[in-house]
Amino acid sequence: DQQVKQNSPSLSVQEGRISILNCDYTNSMFDYFLWYKKYPAEGPTFLISISSIKDKNEDGRFTVFLNKSAKHLSLHIVPSQPGDSAVYFCAATRQGGSEKLVFGKGTKLTVNP
Amino acid sequence: GAVVSQHPSWVICKSGTSVKIECRSLDFQATTMFWYRQFPKQSLMLMATSNEGSKATYEQGVEKDKFLINHASLTLSTLTVTSAHPEDSSFYICSAAGTSGRLGVYEQFFGPGTRLTVL
Repeated sequence: DQQVKQNSPSLSVQEGRISILNCDYTNSMFDYFLWYKKYPAEGPTFLISISSIKDKNEDGRFTVFLNKSAKHLSLHIVPSQPGDSAVYFCAATRQGGSEKLVFGKGTKLTVNP
Repeated sequence: GAVVSQHPSWVICKSGTSVKIECRSLDFQATTMFWYRQFPKQSLMLMATSNEGSKATYEQGVEKDKFLINHASLTLSTLTVTSAHPEDSSFYICSAAGTSGRLGVYEQFFGPGTRLTVL
């Protein structure tokens, strides 16, 4: 049973436009969500996170939106840059628990110059 | 963010040998470290959760006798792949986790990964 789903395996956008990466989860116990960026043969790099007490968190070009009722979150990157091309993983956890992160399968973002 | 290092970054070994991978949290005292493996074009698969000074907790389907984990200190965890076989070839990634003093935010930082190839 996949508790965190990223239904789009890939996304291609033009430089300067907005990239929107989506993530859905099924476990209502999750209360903390993270986005990671990963290049091939490297470990994931933390991008941005959001607690379930918020519905939006912004950090520079990156904004994460959380819709708890829909169990859906999204990562917006604007403006997109070629250097943003990577695989983006959505992860969820329950704070105060085992701290395990449950990852989605990732979305490969390609930003074309 | 915190720096997590892994050593070695890549290793090639013969079938039947054991390989040790180190994971160090350089500037972050990690109460918990995690070990993942990633197959090509797949998500990160959690193998085990390691708490300092206690036995690791393995995920279902992961052989604890094959993947030995030791978490000797708040900054060091090791994964030993014993009697490695070609099917153990993978990309192994560790992470260090904890709640930082900064607003009590939970953070988890990943190492750069270790590519293991078993011939």
